[in-house]
Amino acid sequence: ETGVTQTPRHLVMGMTNKKSLKCEQHLGHNAMYWYKQSAKKPLELMFVYSLEERVENNSVPSRFSPECPNSSHLFLHLHTLQPEDSALYLCASSQPGTDTQYFGPGTRLTVL
Amino acid sequence: GQQVMQIPQYQHVQEGEDFTTYCNSSTTLSNIQWYKQRPGGHPVFLIQLVKSGEVKKQKRLTFQFGEAKKNSSLHITATQTTDVGTYFCAGHYYGGSQGNLIFGKGTKLSVKP
Repeated sequence: ETGVTQTPRHLVMGMTNKKSLKCEQHLGHNAMYWYKQSAKKPLELMFVYSLEERVENNSVPSRFSPECPNSSHLFLHLHTLQPEDSALYLCASSQPGTDTQYFGPGTRLTVL
Repeated sequence: GQQVMQIPQYQHVQEGEDFTTYCNSSTTLSNIQWYKQRPGGHPVFLIQLVKSGEVKKQKRLTFQFGEAKKNSSLHITATQTTDVGTYFCAGHYYGGSQGNLIFGKGTKLSVKP
């Protein structure tokens, strides 16, 4: 499945680093999402963009900063993260008028 | 906040046995979806249920949505090793924005050949 791609697939960073995660969807969808998946926790919805406007921000710390320059691309900018931010970060997209999520392969993030 | 409870957390079965996972919400859902995540993979959409009491089948998988639209189940008949993975339910609440799904914690299924 190559409809939603994410880069990098793995990232190790120190707490003082700045990095960005990239997501691209080739499905013509109009909404894109960032999720965090940690061990033993449910998938946590972080941000929702619909038509390139942020519509949901579920109490995510400001060290995570999303950017959606167009309907096909979504970024997650990371700054001064904590070790507890280590997780799998999943991007997803959905078609207009539906909730069904099409997930990318994820970025496995480790914060040292 | 809104939560979707999913049980069991883990299920170990012998190949050929049946498997069921259950989801429950304290408030009515507008729809519920099911996803499967293989080990090392990402969640993949299986199905969406919208109507009260709805039952849908996909080969050996049977999905049900409760009459009150607060609970749902996924039943797999005669499990195979290819069924291994974590199964998530995800509920959408009335008034929620597009795609704002609340995921259950998932049921991790292992199948012994």
